Amino acid sequence: SQKIEQNSEALNIQEGKTATLTCNYTNYSPAYLQWYRQDPGRGPVFLLLIRENEKEKRKERLKVTFDTTLKQSLFHITASQPADSATYLCAGSSNTGKLIFGQGTTLQVKP
Amino acid sequence: EAGVTQFPSHSVIEKGQTVTLRCDPISGHDNLYWYRRVMGKEIKFLLHFVKESKQDESGMPNNRFLAERTGGTYSTLKVQPAELEDSGVYFCASSPSSPRLGLARNEQFFGPGTRLTVL
Repeated sequence: SQKIEQNSEALNIQEGKTATLTCNYTNYSPAYLQWYRQDPGRGPVFLLLIRENEKEKRKERLKVTFDTTLKQSLFHITASQPADSATYLCAGSSNTGKLIFGQGTTLQVKP
Repeated sequence: EAGVTQFPSHSVIEKGQTVTLRCDPISGHDNLYWYRRVMGKEIKFLLHFVKESKQDESGMPNNRFLAERTGGTYSTLKVQPAELEDSGVYFCASSPSSPRLGLARNEQFFGPGTRLTVL
């Protein structure tokens, strides 16, 4: 079945460093990969979308890559801050709009 | 602009009872989605409305779940009768349709979720 996999272990980094989160997909060729942020008790909030024909997308301190050969997306947060601490969700989608989510990776940025 | 709202925020019911969850999407958004996250698992798609029509209900677990979107505005998701395994957080999301291509824009706006506990 179509699957999006993220590292379920929490990622702990020091403030100011770059956080890199990984998203892999199997049995699936998403037209888009999206990244959402989720804080406890809240719904996911959209951050970035990258299309399958795009290699890289940037938005402020965020960068996303899409490697269709490796079937992988990397999500980077540069100059990380404690306020970046949250769970980050990777989701695949096609033109139908339905999202297939990974389990999410929890990021903890320590001051 | 008001975001997606969901009601109630929490619901605790006994097995066999009925519960109805409500979602109010962002005004003007034709697309409305229901998702669910059960403990320890990823968020999973349930169904997708375009206006008042069900576009995709492939994620609905079984016929105890009934979703409606009368008039293409708010949506309800009814679980009847509820079972223990229905416990989880139910999210609603909405998105606009692309006026140019007639396709759904991909960014989805999520509500805060309804936490359902079935005892």
